[in-house]
Amino acid sequence: ETGVTQTPRHLVMGMTNKKSLKCEQHLGHNAMYWYKQSAKKPLELMFVYNFKEQTENNSVPSRFSPECPNSSHLFLHLHTLQPEDSALYLCASSQGLADVNEQFFGPGTRLTVL
Amino acid sequence: GQNIDQPTEMTATEGAIVQINCTYQTSGFNGLFWYQQHAGEAPTFLSYNVLDGLEEKGRFSSFLSRSKGYSYLLLKELQMKDSASYLCAVRDSNYQLIWGAGTKLIIKP
Repeated sequence: ETGVTQTPRHLVMGMTNKKSLKCEQHLGHNAMYWYKQSAKKPLELMFVYNFKEQTENNSVPSRFSPECPNSSHLFLHLHTLQPEDSALYLCASSQGLADVNEQFFGPGTRLTVL
Repeated sequence: GQNIDQPTEMTATEGAIVQINCTYQTSGFNGLFWYQQHAGEAPTFLSYNVLDGLEEKGRFSSFLSRSKGYSYLLLKELQMKDSASYLCAVRDSNYQLIWGAGTKLIIKP
């Protein structure tokens, strides 16, 4: 248990569906992140939030829409996804953005787009 | 562009020592991290280096040479539970983490 939870753990959706991924951290951290992890590829940073404000959007397609209502919760809203979006989506949090602050990861949501 | 290189896969024997290398080219440097990720699980933090030299933490040690853009993770007295992927990540000048693709370590009895 890292103190970061994600739901659902597995999700299968069609290209026309709309779904949301949820992340919650119980660590009192100020920064939260969404990553995409595909097989044998580096982790891809998607979005960064610091104190609920989005500080980074790494050219992510608009079919992925993040939401951060407070410092403890982070959502990733999905719509009209493509099969190549199938991957493990990891949420992480850290105390801040700099210094030693290591990131604590949730277990991920395994997403399959049909 | 920014790049982190590490071997795709390594095999070692239980009880032995293994060194996993990581080389990087990034725009700026604000620290290097090693994470462990067991199959189907979240990555977990192992070590952090920001100054040159060796950081030792139990059976695991991590080394950094900033001038060479090089780090390694040294695992001693290998145990079966050490079978996992090991991820190298560098924090660049914008404080973003740039990740390697990971090294899958297979431990054989």
